[in-house]
This record gives sequence, C-alpha cells and structure tokens, in this order.
Amino acid sequence: DQQVKQNSPSLSVQEGRISILNCDYTNSMFDYFLWYKKYPAEGPTFLISISSIKDKNEDGRFTVFLNKSAKHLSLHIVPSQPGDSAVYFCAASRASGTYKYIFGTGTRLKVLA
Amino acid sequence: DVKVTQSSRYLVKRTGEKVFLECVQDMDHENMFWYRQDPGLGLRLIYFSYDVKMKEKGDIPEGYSVSREKKERFSLILESASTNQTSMYLCASSWTPDTQYFGPGTRLTVL
Repeated sequence: DQQVKQNSPSLSVQEGRISILNCDYTNSMFDYFLWYKKYPAEGPTFLISISSIKDKNEDGRFTVFLNKSAKHLSLHIVPSQPGDSAVYFCAASRASGTYKYIFGTGTRLKVLA
Repeated sequence: DVKVTQSSRYLVKRTGEKVFLECVQDMDHENMFWYRQDPGLGLRLIYFSYDVKMKEKGDIPEGYSVSREKKERFSLILESASTNQTSMYLCASSWTPDTQYFGPGTRLTVL
C-alpha cells in the first residue's frame, strides 16, 4: 500500500515557464511534507518542507502548496531553469514517536532550453 | 555545513560475500536511516535508528542488518550479498521531522 504517490513519472517544461510537480498521500496523520531534488549518482538534496498546519510555504523560486482535504501537495518552480532538471521526490513524516519518512516514487523533470 | 558521508561511492561484490556500508554524520543527529533507491520504486526504507544501539526495521529489512555503536556512525550489513541487492544505497540523518540530510550514495553491484 503506497501511502505517498507521485503519479507522473516524468515532466518536460520550457525554460522560464512554471514547473508543477504533484504528490498525493493517503494517511491524514502525516505532519510534515518534504520535497527533494536528486541528480544521477548523487544523494537527494532537501528543497523545501511544509507543516500540515499550513497551506503554503515559499523559498525563492520554490513554493509548496498543501491541500489537506484533497490529500494533495504540489511543488511549483518559477521560473524553471535547465539546472532544475532532476528527479524530484516528495516525502511525508509524522512528528510523534520515532518518526520515519515515506517517499513517493519520484518525477523526472526536464527543463528544455 | 551539514555533512553525511558514505564509505564508498561505488562497490562491486560477489554473490555470498558479506558487505559493509558505512555512514557518518557530523551534525550530532539522533536519527539515522538507510534507504535503497531503485528505478520506478523511489526510496525504500531498509532500517532506521533513533539512538545509539537502537534500531527499527523499515519496509524492506530482509537480507540486511544494521549497527549503531556510536551516535555519528550507522552501518548497513548485507550478510550474504545477492544479485537482487544491486542498488543505490542512501544514508540519511535528521534531528527534526521536517528535514533530513542525505549522503552521496553508494552504488553497489553484486555479481
């Protein structure tokens, strides 16, 4: 049972336009949601997170939106740059107890110059 | 600056060998994690540790064990490597549930 899902395996966007990466989850008990970027042969790099009590968090070109009623979050990258081409993973965690992170399967973003 | 290091970037082993993957973090984080990443499957949690000598199984612990004798070091052990353990192995550490820091990964090939 996959608790965190990224239904689009890949996405292509023109440089300068907006990239929107989506993530759905099934467990309403998650407290935090995180986005990571991963280049080939490297470890994931933390991008941005959002608490379940918020509906938006922004950091530079990256904004994450959370819709709790739909159990859906999205990462917006504006403007997209060729260096943003990578695999993006969303993850979810709970704050209580010994927490662990549940990851989605990733979306490969290609930003075309 | 946050740093998680892994002992090898690339490793080639033979079926049946015992394999040790080491991870060290310099941030005094209590929590450390081992994942494997396979195409189309994302990151799957093998084991995690929330304190020295404490460990919990993740989603795919079969064929693996771990050791955490010191806070900064978390080792993943493949008792008898098999070809289906060929994968990218990623170590991570964290202190809070809203961030997690990863090492560069070890690409393990089992022949």
